[in-house]
Amino acid sequence: GESVGLHLPTLSVQEGDNSIINCAYSNSASDYFIWYKQESGKGPQFIIDIRSNMDKRQGQRVTVLLNKTVKHLSLQIAATQPGDSAVYFCAESRTSGTYKYIFGTGTRLKVLA
Amino acid sequence: NAGVTQTPKFRILKIGQSMTLQCAQDMNHNYMYWYRQDPGMGLKLIYYSVGAGITDKGEVPNGYNVSRSTTEDFPLRLELAAPSQTSVYFCASSSLGSNQPQHFGDGTRLSIL
Repeated sequence: GESVGLHLPTLSVQEGDNSIINCAYSNSASDYFIWYKQESGKGPQFIIDIRSNMDKRQGQRVTVLLNKTVKHLSLQIAATQPGDSAVYFCAESRTSGTYKYIFGTGTRLKVLA
Repeated sequence: NAGVTQTPKFRILKIGQSMTLQCAQDMNHNYMYWYRQDPGMGLKLIYYSVGAGITDKGEVPNGYNVSRSTTEDFPLRLELAAPSQTSVYFCASSSLGSNQPQHFGDGTRLSIL
């Protein structure tokens, strides 16, 4: 809900512009990464995922980039729309030996009309 | 297809009371998870289950219990509610382990007064 978004970094973007949301992950052994979108009062919604054997993956209006050298993940949203306003966070996991994700704290995206 | 359903959506408890948060999924997923989400923090894993009859502790299991008698249901029990358990609780499920996206319910907002 709204209380989840308190104290989060905020990215403000004009409607129609492209958005780039960044995430630094912690475990160099992680090999699976996911971006989630969380709207106020809702649960996290899966957007796109990428495995470590890829550097880039595209979906509908979204692109995820993975830089394993610096342990960095980014989500690019093309032609940002008012409905894109939400908190976005990444998750990482290691596919061998664990079923657990590590979640980032998130970035709030505000789309300005 | 309802996905992951959590009940109740909101609840206020007094210190020392007990309650069960319900979670059901209709996707025939083997893996189910309980998280808590506190303001400005990433999701923290409370308990998880890899199949009916199998549960295990996550990062923050103290004060909680779970059971998994069926594939569909994964209830979370608070026995002696404490103010520190005020949070938003999310249930999630996935078809496989850590290399598949987890699908979330819309959460239970719990306040302990």
